[in-house]
Amino acid sequence: SYVLTQPPSVSVAPGQTATIGCGGDNIGAYSVHWYQQKAGQAPVLVVQDDGDRPSGIPERFSGSNSENTATLTISRVEAGDEADYYCQIWDSNPNHYVVFGAGTKLTVL
Amino acid sequence: EVQLVESGGGLVRPGGSLRLTCVASGFIVSTDYMSWVRQAPGKGLEWVSIIYSGGKTYTADSVKGRFIISRHSSENTLYLQMNSLRPDDTAVYFCTRGLQRFDYWGQGALVTVSS
Repeated sequence: SYVLTQPPSVSVAPGQTATIGCGGDNIGAYSVHWYQQKAGQAPVLVVQDDGDRPSGIPERFSGSNSENTATLTISRVEAGDEADYYCQIWDSNPNHYVVFGAGTKLTVL
Repeated sequence: EVQLVESGGGLVRPGGSLRLTCVASGFIVSTDYMSWVRQAPGKGLEWVSIIYSGGKTYTADSVKGRFIISRHSSENTLYLQMNSLRPDDTAVYFCTRGLQRFDYWGQGALVTVSS
C-alpha cells in the first residue's frame, strides 16, 4: 500500500516560515491535499490540489509538489497556526482508496 | 451553509454493533461523495469508507466485511453500520464530503470498544 511520510514535528518562531514535507514514491503524479487539525477539533482543508487555497484560507498557506516530495509552506507563522498537519492523496486504480500521512505537529516557539 | 452533524457514538463491547448517523444540511448527500474518516486516540487520520453519488461504495481493508456505508436520500443522511467491533476500532469517526479531498467535516462521534 502507498505510504506518505511526514516528519513528526516542526518548530518555528513567530513571523518565520514553516515548511512541512510529505514524501511518497512518485508523489508528484498525485494531487496532494493538506489539512490543519487543532486540538479537539475536526480537520480543516488548507491546501488542495498541491497548491490551491480553499476559500477563507489565508495567503500565508501555500503548497508545492514535485517528484517524491510535496511541501506545505506557512509564511509569517502565527501562534494560532500551532496544530497537526496532514497530507493526503487519493487514487482509484483499481479501487478507490485514500491515504493520509501520519501528521506533523507544528509548534510555534 | 454546509453542516455535518454526527451522532450514535458510545461505548460498546467487543463483538458488538453500532450505527453512526451523519445529518447533512446545505447540500444534497445523494448527489455528492461522502466518506467516513476515523482517528484513534492520539493517532492520525484513517479513511474508512466512501459512497459515490451513483451509489457505489468502497471500504478500507481494515474494516472490510464489518462496516457498511449507506445513505438515506429523503432524510439527507449518511450512515455507518459497524459490526463485529474490536478494541482497535476505538476512535473518533468523522463524516466528510468529497471525492479526491474532503472540504467539509463534522465534529466527530466517539466510539469506544471495550469490555
